[in-house]
This record gives sequence, C-alpha cells and structure tokens, in this order.
Amino acid sequence: DAGITQSPRHKVTETGTPVTLRCHQTENHRYMYWYRQDPGHGLRLIHYSYGVKDTDKGEVSDGYSVSRSKTEDFLLTLESATSSQTSVYFCAIRAGGDSNQPQHFGDGTRLSIL
Amino acid sequence: QQQVKQSPQSLIVQKGGISIINCAYENTAFDYFPWYQQFPGKGPALLIAIRPDVSEKKEGRFTISFNKSAKQFSLHIMDSQPGDSATYFCAAAGTSYGKLTFGQGTILTVHP
Repeated sequence: DAGITQSPRHKVTETGTPVTLRCHQTENHRYMYWYRQDPGHGLRLIHYSYGVKDTDKGEVSDGYSVSRSKTEDFLLTLESATSSQTSVYFCAIRAGGDSNQPQHFGDGTRLSIL
Repeated sequence: QQQVKQSPQSLIVQKGGISIINCAYENTAFDYFPWYQQFPGKGPALLIAIRPDVSEKKEGRFTISFNKSAKQFSLHIMDSQPGDSATYFCAAAGTSYGKLTFGQGTILTVHP
C-alpha cells in the first residue's frame, strides 16, 4: 500500500451539516488530490494541492473546500452537505517531478447524505 | 464535459479469452495515459501506463496500444482470469500538476 489513510471510511449524515474528510500520507509526497467516484462518471477531481497551503480547484469543486496545513494531511470539507454530494471520495498522492509520476489512491470514504 | 470516453461499460469474457477496453481522448495536451484496476471496497490501483512517444507497452498479460493520430488507446488483457474481474479505468494527464481525467469505467467479469 502507498501509505495513505482516509478517515472516516464510512459516514452517514444529514443534509445541511458540515462534514470533513481527512487524508493522511506517510510518503512525504508533494501532490495530493481529492476525487469523487459516481456511477457512470468514473472519478472526477474536486481539489488538489501542490504544496503546504497551495491548493486549487478541480472539475467539480462547487460546495467543497480544502486545506493543507502540513505535508501529510489534506482535508476536504463540505460546508453544508447536500444529497448530491453522496458519493465515494478518494484521496490520491503523487511524488511530483515528471508529469508521468503515478498517482496512488487510498481506499476511499463512503459518504451518505440523507 | 467528458474529455476521456471509455467503452464498453461492461464486458463478460470467458477464462482464457482476451479482454479489450477502449478509450478516446480529446485534449492533445495529454501526455500520460495510465490504466487503473479497482476491486470492490478498494481504491484504484495503477496497472500500467504509457507515454505518447510509444505505440505499445506490455507488462505480463497486460498490453496498452496507443494511436496518437486517432487519439485512442486501449487495454488488452490476454489469457483473462477470474481474478481479473474488476472495474478498469483509463485516464489521461497533461503537464499541469499531474491532474488525471478519468474515463467512465468498465466492469469486467471473467467467467471460469
């Protein structure tokens, strides 16, 4: 395994509540990513980070925010969860350098918003 | 806007047969094309990847074929085994922070 821990692994919450998902890495990699996986859409990039305090939006960033205060931790926050954010969320890490450095994924967080 | 289109959505193959999954992309700035394998309850795992300066890459039973002019690439799984039953994703990335754009996924079932 690539040294990625996502927490929690499962969460059920109600519409309108804030939710924070955590991604922790032990590889000291520069790049970290948050994706969501939905049937028929593959994985879609939400936000990514290219260093501590350096983050940017991905393809589906509306309703999400991120923070990276330490190299090892990348947090994804849903400020006010909606049912459309029910999904499986994956964190990925990449060492950086050449563009073909591979991304390695965690085992995901299954989030249900009722 | 789906920049990487993957087909078929699902595929059933007999043990020992060849599994073929196809992907097409639009963005000519893409220069890295990985394939990921995902088992239920797990994250995607890198299977094999190719750069556009080669037309084919083989690793064991897995081969990527790449056609730059057609903007298409495909995964071939030779001698398919029941243990290969999984969801497969193609993806593409350019030089911008290594961001991956994924295809929709193919559910492969290999019957014994």
